Amino acid sequence: LAKTTQPISMDSYEGQEVNITCSHNNIATNDYITWYQQFPSQGPRFIIQGYKTKVTNEVASLFIPADRKSSTLSLPRVSLSDTAVYYCLVVPNTGRRALTFGSGTRLQVQP
Amino acid sequence: EAGVAQSPRYKIIEKRQSVAFWCNPISGHATLYWYQQILGQGPKLLIQFQNNGVVDDSQLPKDRFSAERLKGVDSTLKIQPAKLEDSAVYLCASSRSISTDTQYFGPGTRLTVL
Repeated sequence: LAKTTQPISMDSYEGQEVNITCSHNNIATNDYITWYQQFPSQGPRFIIQGYKTKVTNEVASLFIPADRKSSTLSLPRVSLSDTAVYYCLVVPNTGRRALTFGSGTRLQVQP
Repeated sequence: EAGVAQSPRYKIIEKRQSVAFWCNPISGHATLYWYQQILGQGPKLLIQFQNNGVVDDSQLPKDRFSAERLKGVDSTLKIQPAKLEDSAVYLCASSRSISTDTQYFGPGTRLTVL
């Protein structure tokens, strides 16, 4: 499984755009990049997934360059409720699809 | 659609005691996962079921941990006997099938071993 590296923590203010970058140098051809969000005292929640280029949903955007060795989760105009831990995962497209979590990025949004 | 249900939400026991956690996945979800999340770390997979069969239990400490999903629906995770290092949140997740990416997590059970 490809190992992921992401910042331990980030700080932001309400209304700002937040970009969290994750590196996954050993990503395999069939791997997808997936991001989960976890609030205190809750289980992780799926945010977005992509294979290449750009994916956007109602919550976030995911940018993946052509070499796929990194990805950037973009949260537009964050609010206090976006304070959470964000996990970047590389998920095989085949097989058991068990998730391997790193330590994640702790995002703190301040007023 | 109801989410993944877990109980209890909190449990405090002394070391060497036994404890059991229960999980009811989302209706119709064939794949069920148990994760252990130690404070400050990401969740770590303990065991994965497909219906009532075990797909992966390579990281389950089998000398003290056991899990079952007898009817392919709800599941129980047991620790016997508990150690101090078992203090963690135990998360249950489910997905529609083994080939589906999105996993839906329950709120977890916070275990404290004294």
